[in-house]
Amino acid sequence: DQQVKQNSPSLSVQEGRISILNCDYTNSMFDYFLWYKKYPAEGPTFLISISSIKDKNEDGRFTVFLNKSAKHLSLHIVPSQPGDSAVYFCAASDGATNKLIFGTGTLLAVQP
Amino acid sequence: GAGVSQSPSNKVTEKGKDVELRCDPISGHTALYWYRQRLGQGLEFLIYFQGNSAPDKSGLPSDRFSAERTGESVSTLTIQRTQQEDSAVYLCASSLIGDRSGAFFGQGTRLTVV
Repeated sequence: DQQVKQNSPSLSVQEGRISILNCDYTNSMFDYFLWYKKYPAEGPTFLISISSIKDKNEDGRFTVFLNKSAKHLSLHIVPSQPGDSAVYFCAASDGATNKLIFGTGTLLAVQP
Repeated sequence: GAGVSQSPSNKVTEKGKDVELRCDPISGHTALYWYRQRLGQGLEFLIYFQGNSAPDKSGLPSDRFSAERTGESVSTLTIQRTQQEDSAVYLCASSLIGDRSGAFFGQGTRLTVV
C-alpha cells in the first residue's frame, strides 16, 4: 500500500528552465508534507515543507504547491541548476503519529 | 559530532549471519526512524521510536528484523539470518518530537549479503 507516490522515476531539464516534480498521496490524514533531496552515497537532506493549511510555500528557487482536493503536491525549481541534479523524495506525515512516509523518488538531471 | 552518525558505513556479510547496525542520533532528538533503500527503490519505512511511547514497528518486513533504542540515545537495528534480499542501504534519521520541520538523516549503512 503505497500511500505516497511519485510516478515519474526520472526527469531531465535544461539548465535555467523550470523543474516540476510531482507527488500524490492517498491518506487524507496527512497534514504535513516535505521534500528531501538525496545525492549518491549521502543521506537525504530536508529541502522544503508545507502544512496542509497552506497551498504554497516558497524558499528561494524552490516552491512547493499543495492541492488538497486532488491529494497532490509539486515541487518547482526555477531556475534549475546542474547542482540540483539529485533524487528528490516527497514525504508526508499525519499529526497523530508524525511518522514520515516517503515516496519512491524522482531522479532529476539538470543538463548544462 | 553534530549530525546523525551511522556505523558501519559498509558491511558485507554472508547469508545466514546476523548483523547489527548502529545509529547515533542528534543529541536531544527524541524521535528516531529507520528506513531501508534497496537498489533503485524508494525509502521504505521500518520502525519509528517516539520518545517513551511504544515504537511503531509496522514497517519491519519480518521477524528477523528488530530494533532497540535506549532512552534518547543510540539505536541498533539487528537483522538475524540475513538473506540476499536484505541487501540495501539502511538509513537512520532523528528529529525532535513535535518538530515537523524535517528529520535529519545519517549517511546510511550499505549492507551487502553475499
